[in-house]
Amino acid sequence: EIVLTQSPGTLSLSPGERATLSCRASQSFGSSYLAWYQQKPGQAPRLLIYGASSRATGIPDRFSGSGSGTDFTLTISRLEPEDFAVYYCQRYGNSPRETLTFGGGTKVEIK
Amino acid sequence: QVQLQQSGPGLVEPSQTLSLTCAISGDSVSSNSVIWNWIRQSPSRGLEWLGRTYYRSKWYSDSAVSVKGRITINPDTPKNQFSLQLNSMTPEDTAVYYCVRSGAGYSATLFDSWGQGTLVTVSS
Repeated sequence: EIVLTQSPGTLSLSPGERATLSCRASQSFGSSYLAWYQQKPGQAPRLLIYGASSRATGIPDRFSGSGSGTDFTLTISRLEPEDFAVYYCQRYGNSPRETLTFGGGTKVEIK
Repeated sequence: QVQLQQSGPGLVEPSQTLSLTCAISGDSVSSNSVIWNWIRQSPSRGLEWLGRTYYRSKWYSDSAVSVKGRITINPDTPKNQFSLQLNSMTPEDTAVYYCVRSGAGYSATLFDSWGQGTLVTVSS
């Protein structure tokens, strides 16, 4: 089973700053089936990025994803007040029993 | 734009059955290109996929090993919704439950639309 480890656990930044979140896999997927979700308190997760680097519908271009193999990154170029939330990476694929894993999350908080 | 609206109780007694419903607008429960899932979230278990139902010329459903034997997920085509039943509830089943849409093929576990969530507490 592939494990996704997100770091740091908490990121304390100010609005306008750049956020860089890491997601590391215990082994290579062999493909870029990596997604990122944003979750605000009391809300459901929202899909931000899929295919490691493609933005989902309606997602602002300050959000970008990169990486392949075992190392993936979510970057928020300039933090807006509404971006302070928890972010999860996820491996996805065609089988929930074999290709579904969530990371533990990174909280981006206001410094 | 698809919207998922959940309904059901927030409190379930131990050993009883949880029943939740997810009403779909902007898509069809019978679509051949999407899958309808239930996912729960708790501090101890994180995000946990529970099971799914989907239509590909006939209806299919499957579930996670952790809840197999306790879970039933059914479509309701006249009402364009699907449901979750989880029986023999214990306090460990306390979580926020979400209904979620995903795609087909390698997007089968890419979750692009979520319900609002239902906090389910198992307590007497």
